[in-house]
Amino acid sequence: QVQLQESGPGLLKPSQTLSLTCTVSDDSISRSNYYWSWIRQPAGKGLEWIGRIYPSGSASYNPSLKSRVTMSLDTSKDQFSLKLRSVTAADTAVYYCARGLRRLRLLKYDYYGLDVWGQGTSVTVSS
Amino acid sequence: QSVLTQPPSASGTPGQRVTISCSGSNSNIGNKTVYWYQQLPRTAPKLLIYSNNQRPSGVPDRFSGSKSGTSASLAISGLQSEDEADFYCAAWDVSLSGHFVFGSGTKVTVL
Repeated sequence: QVQLQESGPGLLKPSQTLSLTCTVSDDSISRSNYYWSWIRQPAGKGLEWIGRIYPSGSASYNPSLKSRVTMSLDTSKDQFSLKLRSVTAADTAVYYCARGLRRLRLLKYDYYGLDVWGQGTSVTVSS
Repeated sequence: QSVLTQPPSASGTPGQRVTISCSGSNSNIGNKTVYWYQQLPRTAPKLLIYSNNQRPSGVPDRFSGSKSGTSASLAISGLQSEDEADFYCAAWDVSLSGHFVFGSGTKVTVL
């Protein structure tokens, strides 16, 4: 049973860089049927998509965060990572990593949603 | 401000049918498939519906999704106490080079 686990510092100061890693167990992040996403949720608020990265390394980001976000893969460790630069208090949230499923059909991918999620890790930005 | 608009709350008694709406636009729901996620208290979200109306393995058939034009709906029939949760619609949005968007979320309360 595939599992995802987020890890990283829980407390940051304003202007620092948030670095989180998601470790994937019992699966390979290199499989072409998957893509890997980050989502965050401020306390008491809704979900916000941060971005996703494909096994090729190609990534898409939320336009509102694009200038500060970088995602990457480490296929040797079955891990993917998130870096968010110049954090402020507005970046305080629970951060989730998730696996997305897609299947190639007639030369085009069909997407089947984010089917496996990590438990989430709380990040606080405070001076 | 979410691109996809949901009512903040919905409620029903056990056994009732509850429907949650999700309103978008031609840049998202109107041209892309809709997903629904359920988030139980203090847990990670769970995929409930994909491709507008398909249930992943293990999701009870009490949950059903539909889409018409730029709006989508999630229906919960035979409401149970364990269905009390936050529900989010989601879709890909083709504007601004493309990005994924979640709805504002609906809290379902079982009375």
